Parts: sequence; structure tokens; C-alpha cells
Amino acid sequence: EVQLVESGGGLIQPGGSLRLSCAGSGFTVSSNFMNWVRQAPGKGLEWVSIVYSGGSTYYADSVKGRFTISRDISKNTLSLQMNTLRVEDTAMYYCARGTGDTAPIAFDVWGQGTMVTVSS
Amino acid sequence: QSALTQPPSASGSAGQSVTISCTGTSSDVGGYYYVSWYQQHPGKAPKLLIYEVTKRPSGVPDRFSGSKSGNTASLTVSGLQAEDEADYYCSSYAGNNKFVVFGGGTKLTVL
Repeated sequence: EVQLVESGGGLIQPGGSLRLSCAGSGFTVSSNFMNWVRQAPGKGLEWVSIVYSGGSTYYADSVKGRFTISRDISKNTLSLQMNTLRVEDTAMYYCARGTGDTAPIAFDVWGQGTMVTVSS
Repeated sequence: QSALTQPPSASGSAGQSVTISCTGTSSDVGGYYYVSWYQQHPGKAPKLLIYEVTKRPSGVPDRFSGSKSGNTASLTVSGLQAEDEADYYCSSYAGNNKFVVFGGGTKLTVL
């Protein structure tokens, strides 16, 4: 069964750091466009970051310079290192597999999400 | 403020049809045939319903259909059922700068 399972969320103070993980099963994480998408409480979806199968990484302007996406090929996992966290980063963070040959045209597999709360 | 504009709410009686719109620009919806739609029930992860404007993943009922005209995409749900009550989000590829943009979501109520 194709599945994604996130972990690592929690309560963190503003300015702190947190690392999220997403374990893939039933497919190879490194062979796909892998993304992080977040959803603030009661709000809509926001794309955060992507890593292409070739290794290129890109970020939304709201997190550029603070977040880093990476993969561990040996563990078939995706990670998101979040530094200098802000109150507005509070959200449910989902990892999602992107479909498409040359661009992430849709997200066909989603994890259950991990909640990040930034508060003093 | 979301990049794509959706009505905040929509409703219809069981058995009827409802259409949800999603308006963007020529840089996203109008510029690519890469519009997708997601269904999200409370407390659950989003689920892909439509991709590449009109295609349905395996397992998605054909009651769900998509279309696009210019900068506006639409999702039509036919034969409304109680389990269709959920939030619906559109998204579009937006090029190698913004990558993917989402709409603000539409809460569908089945009367």
C-alpha cells in the first residue's frame, strides 16, 4: 500500500527549530516530486516546499531561508528542517507526493499530517 | 489571501448538482492544463479528486467532473450525496517560481 506517515510536530517557542519527517512506503520517495503543504487552523492549504527527483529544491517565499527540505534515500524518508519559527508557521504540515513528469501537476498521496504550534 | 479565488460556500440538495468555481490568472489556471481539485473532510487529509482539469484518479466516482475556461476552472458534483459534504480546494501549477497555488476552499453543504 502506498502510504506517507509524518512525525516530529509539537509545541515550540517563536525563534525555535523543529524537524519534521515523512516516511514513505509502497513507493520510492526519491523517484518522485515530494512536497510539504501546510494548513493553518481553520484556513486553506498552502504549498511550502518541493524536492524534485533530481534533487533540486524550491520554497514558498514565506519560508525561504528558514526551512530546508531534504530526503534520506536509504530510509525512504522526506524531511523538513524548520528554523527561526514564527507564530504564523503554526499549522498542520502534510507531506504529499506530486505527480507529473516534469512538473508537480497534482498531489496524489498525502500523509495524515503533523501539527506544529509556535507559541510562547 | 489565497492565489486562486473560490466561493467560501456552496450548497445543494441530495441528488442535485452543484458547481464550484476557481478563478486565477493567465500565470496559473489560464496558463496550464494543470488544475486539480481536492476533497477534505474535517480532521482528515485532502484527497485528490481531479487532476489535469478533467481526469479522475482510480476510485473517484464519475459524479465528480472538472472543466476549465480561460482563467476559471470548475468542479461539478452531480447526484449529491451526504458524504460529499466537505471542503473542496482547487490548485494549479504556476510555473517555476510559485510552483503550486491553492484556492481558499469551498465548504459544500448537502441540504
